[in-house]
Amino acid sequence: GQNIDQPTEMTATEGAIVQINCTYQTSGFNGLFWYQQHAGEAPTFLSYNVLDGLEEKGRFSSFLSRSKGYSYLLLKELQMKDSASYLCAVMDSNYQLIWGAGTKLIIKP
Amino acid sequence: NAGVTQTPKFRVLKTGQSMTLLCAQDMNHEYMYWYRQDPGMGLRLIHYSVGEGTTAKGEVPDGYNVSRLKKQNFLLGLESAAPSQTSVYFCASSSPVSTSGSEPLTDTQYFGPGTRLTVL
Repeated sequence: GQNIDQPTEMTATEGAIVQINCTYQTSGFNGLFWYQQHAGEAPTFLSYNVLDGLEEKGRFSSFLSRSKGYSYLLLKELQMKDSASYLCAVMDSNYQLIWGAGTKLIIKP
Repeated sequence: NAGVTQTPKFRVLKTGQSMTLLCAQDMNHEYMYWYRQDPGMGLRLIHYSVGEGTTAKGEVPDGYNVSRLKKQNFLLGLESAAPSQTSVYFCASSSPVSTSGSEPLTDTQYFGPGTRLTVL
């Protein structure tokens, strides 16, 4: 079966750095997406990785290792507005997105 | 651009009632999707469409029907609502090729605000 695993909840302090991990087992791989979802709102696109390595975009970076079936999202200089759920999704061989359950990130002052 | 819009935002149904959720996008995207999101679970694909007049089943299609009569609209129907269909429903759209210079990459899915449905 296809499976995406990520921690259910994480807590971090304002101004700090947090790393949210995602491991996956899917039938085929056509890229990995990270989305942010604030409570009661729609998911919004954050990043996309299809090759191994680190993609940096401002305070957010995403890393991929295809051989390990592993990705992480790194958030730097955390702000209170970063409190949200972070969704990892993998595009499989049929170009369908397989979604993780999401990691709820709580930022404390 | 409004992006992806959904109506209604909230709805309460009784078991056995029917309803239609409407999704509209103004980004000229070819692909459209209907997902449901339940606590503790990832988004699950109900049905999707790769173009006007075509639809296909996703992971959890039972109890739902869809239609894509116009490129910009994707309708999700519940024929006879059941309490197990209580959920938040999201519509999304994407394009296999870039339709504007502002999109970061193709196949990125853009989501509507969601419909909260309760079936009693």
